Amino acid sequence: SQQGEEDPQALSIQEGENATMNCSYKTSINNLQWYRQNSGRGLVHLILIRSNEREKHSGRLRVTLDTSKKSSSLLITASRAADTASYFCATGDSSYKLIFGSGTRLLVRP
Amino acid sequence: SQTIHQWPATLVQPVGSPLSLECTVEGTSNPNLYWYRQAAGRGLQLLFYSVGIGQISSEVPQNLSASRPQDRQFILSSKKLLLSDSGFYLCAWSRGGQSDNSPLHFGNGTRLTVT
Repeated sequence: SQQGEEDPQALSIQEGENATMNCSYKTSINNLQWYRQNSGRGLVHLILIRSNEREKHSGRLRVTLDTSKKSSSLLITASRAADTASYFCATGDSSYKLIFGSGTRLLVRP
Repeated sequence: SQTIHQWPATLVQPVGSPLSLECTVEGTSNPNLYWYRQAAGRGLQLLFYSVGIGQISSEVPQNLSASRPQDRQFILSSKKLLLSDSGFYLCAWSRGGQSDNSPLHFGNGTRLTVT
């Protein structure tokens, strides 16, 4: 079963603009992670935010977490054509399982 | 450094045939290992995970099975494939010894088409 649901399902922006993707989930979590997938490839881990954290940065990425609303957002600033990919959130609890959402397809137009 | 190998990259199999997908990890010991399946344009569905040799947890009842014969080897199998088994199969590992969901490291996947 899927825990997270990303919004929007697809996003098209111009190079240089910011891209914001949202993730909502249903149950209590230990942490939330964001991954990127280029077409036909495996996923690559981008950033992990723990349930007691509210915001985290990594380069051009900014992730926020609101546990009261059970939601997270991923912001990519100053987007580049190379950022074109699908982005997934994944939630972890106290088990070994990591449950993924359905993803947002991002297209950055040159 | 750690690496993960998954093969084959693509596979076309007839309905009713057996399946064996293999995944190996190098450069780490006692990893947690995972098999996910991704339908076209969709998210990832967790199929199996393993926290040690011979320890397999199944998430979805189906005609697939998994085995971990060695510490860093994870195998996905089926005795008889169904059309609905078509998809993109991804193997992943994470740091073992803890259950706080360390980041997953994925292989490049196997695209399986059942005809």
